[in-house]
Amino acid sequence: EPEVTQTPSHQVTQMGQEVILRCVPISNHLYFYWYRQILGQKVEFLVSFYNNEISEKSEIFDDQFSVERPDGSNFTLKIRSTKLEDSAMYFCASSEDTSNTEAFFGQGTRLTVV
Amino acid sequence: LAKTTQPISMDSYEGQEVNITCSHNNIATNDYITWYQQFPSQGPRFIIQGYKTKVTNEVASLFIPADRKSSTLSLPRVSLSDTAVYYCLVGPLYNFNKFYFGSGTKLNVKP
Repeated sequence: EPEVTQTPSHQVTQMGQEVILRCVPISNHLYFYWYRQILGQKVEFLVSFYNNEISEKSEIFDDQFSVERPDGSNFTLKIRSTKLEDSAMYFCASSEDTSNTEAFFGQGTRLTVV
Repeated sequence: LAKTTQPISMDSYEGQEVNITCSHNNIATNDYITWYQQFPSQGPRFIIQGYKTKVTNEVASLFIPADRKSSTLSLPRVSLSDTAVYYCLVGPLYNFNKFYFGSGTKLNVKP
């Protein structure tokens, strides 16, 4: 079964440092998403991406966040200057198109900001 | 996106059928209902989706009454491995690019 893969599985970084979280969506999927989940809380939408541009973003996705599809397979989330409150599990997801509500989520990257 | 309300938690025993109900009083005409499952430290996983009446797949059934203001996810003969959080999502199929996950229902299956 095809799957979304995320690396690294766990990243520890110092406050103020930049981090890049990487994702490889399913190969024939066209829509990509980043979500985050602070420990014990809801899964929160960050951003959706289609045709090499952001299609929608939440209030959480401020100027310190950016996304990129640097090549035909990777999808990255960059956090420029991490804060303690950025500590969370970050999930990447992809879907074939927006007429299909079946999104496939990766296993997540646990980001710990110290 | 329509607001959803689910029980915070439910307990069950292995082999029982479990029904989790979700209320979505403000559901719009073009909204679909989708359920996801999430195990600890894993990403959510799609279970089932429907618009009206009943939908069944190899994992679960989804019952939606005529007024569509609620829906019930039915898990037949649960096992310990079904212990997870179950999320009900409501939104338009054509623009479902912003999945809103509520608090979900924590299902605890006991031996």
